Amino acid sequence: DQQVKQNSPSLSVQEGRISILNCDYTNSMFDYFLWYKKYPAEGPTFLISISSIKDKNEDGRFTVFLNKSAKHLSLHIVPSQPGDSAVYFCAASVGRGSTLGRLYFGRGTQLTVWP
Amino acid sequence: DTAVSQTPKYLVTQMGNDKSIKCEQNLGHDTMYWYKQDSKKFLKIMFSYNNKELIINETVPNRFSPKSPDKAHLNLHINSLELGDSAVYFCASSQVNGEQFFGPGTRLTVL
Repeated sequence: DQQVKQNSPSLSVQEGRISILNCDYTNSMFDYFLWYKKYPAEGPTFLISISSIKDKNEDGRFTVFLNKSAKHLSLHIVPSQPGDSAVYFCAASVGRGSTLGRLYFGRGTQLTVWP
Repeated sequence: DTAVSQTPKYLVTQMGNDKSIKCEQNLGHDTMYWYKQDSKKFLKIMFSYNNKELIINETVPNRFSPKSPDKAHLNLHINSLELGDSAVYFCASSQVNGEQFFGPGTRLTVL
């Protein structure tokens, strides 16, 4: 019973173009969403987050968009760089920290950025 | 200067053995977690501790027992290992309202 879904296991994008990674969720109680990035043989690292009171959050080349009615969020990377090649995990929680960190993860999307 | 460290990085063992994975964080965080990433790549929480107190205990066989000797350490002991325990185990830590920082993972292979 996956409450957070990333339906694209992989995405390939040319350097300089936009990468769009998608995530859907089923639990309407989720109100805090995160993206983590993972390189091989390393643990996930926090990238960007968004609260449900917002519909957009931007940090440099990374922007997360949240569509609550569609229970959908997306991560945009512009411009994409070869160093962005990694697995990207979408995660969600009910209340930021209110349940002491119970995060629900998607199964990840492998992004490959080619020169 | 590793923030969240785990040992060992790789662990290969026979079915039925007992093994431990250690986790330490030097970030001064109050909360620590264990996650399991299975062969289908799903990352699922197993346990979380806040100030040495067990907070989250997912549906995990009681062969898995976390131990938190202090705020900076959360070890995972697994008894009577089974083939299905093969996975990558990640430790993480956070402040109560903060983002989680993950360790590099321990790849456990049960033969």
